[in-house]
Amino acid sequence: DQQVKQNSPSLSVQEGRISILNCDYTNSMFDYFLWYKKYPAEGPTFLISISSIKDKNEDGRFTVFLNKSAKHLSLHIVPSQPGDSAVYFCAAVDSGTYKYIFGTGTRLKVLA
Amino acid sequence: DTGVSQNPRHKITKRGQNVTFRCDPISEHNRLYWYRQTLGQGPEFLTYFQNEAQLEKSRLLSDRFSAERPKGSFSTLEIQRTEQGDSAMYLCASSVGTSSSNEQFFGPGTRLTVL
Repeated sequence: DQQVKQNSPSLSVQEGRISILNCDYTNSMFDYFLWYKKYPAEGPTFLISISSIKDKNEDGRFTVFLNKSAKHLSLHIVPSQPGDSAVYFCAAVDSGTYKYIFGTGTRLKVLA
Repeated sequence: DTGVSQNPRHKITKRGQNVTFRCDPISEHNRLYWYRQTLGQGPEFLTYFQNEAQLEKSRLLSDRFSAERPKGSFSTLEIQRTEQGDSAMYLCASSVGTSSSNEQFFGPGTRLTVL
């Protein structure tokens, strides 16, 4: 049972344009969400997070939007840069153990 | 302290052999997590420790798997009688505190290949 889903396995965007990565979840008890970026041969690195009491969080070029009624979150990257090319994972936090439940990832390729 | 470290980075073993991985978390991080990632999937939770206590184990963690965190510092993950299906990236993460907003910091992972 996949509680966190990323339905787009890959995405290609032109440099300078906006990248939008989507994530859906099924458990309404999740109260915190994060996005991680992963390069090959490295562990995931934290990018941005959002609490369920907010609907938007912004950090530089990265903005995460949360729609609780739709159980949907998205990551916007603008402007996209070639160095943003990586696999992006969304994760929901289990409020009891604080373990992360990850989606399957979206591979972003930013074309120069 | 430069972050979470894991050793070895790569391990190739034959089916049936035992393997052990080590994770050194960020100093003073009281929580330590193990995840497993296979190709095309996100990391999947295996187990976690708060200090030296192992508080939860996923059903993914069969009885061939055992994890320890003596003295609440580094942790080891041992796989006995390895099977080809154990081939994966094993990730360790650590965090401090007891809040959902406490970010987990991941190590570079140990890639296991079982022949």
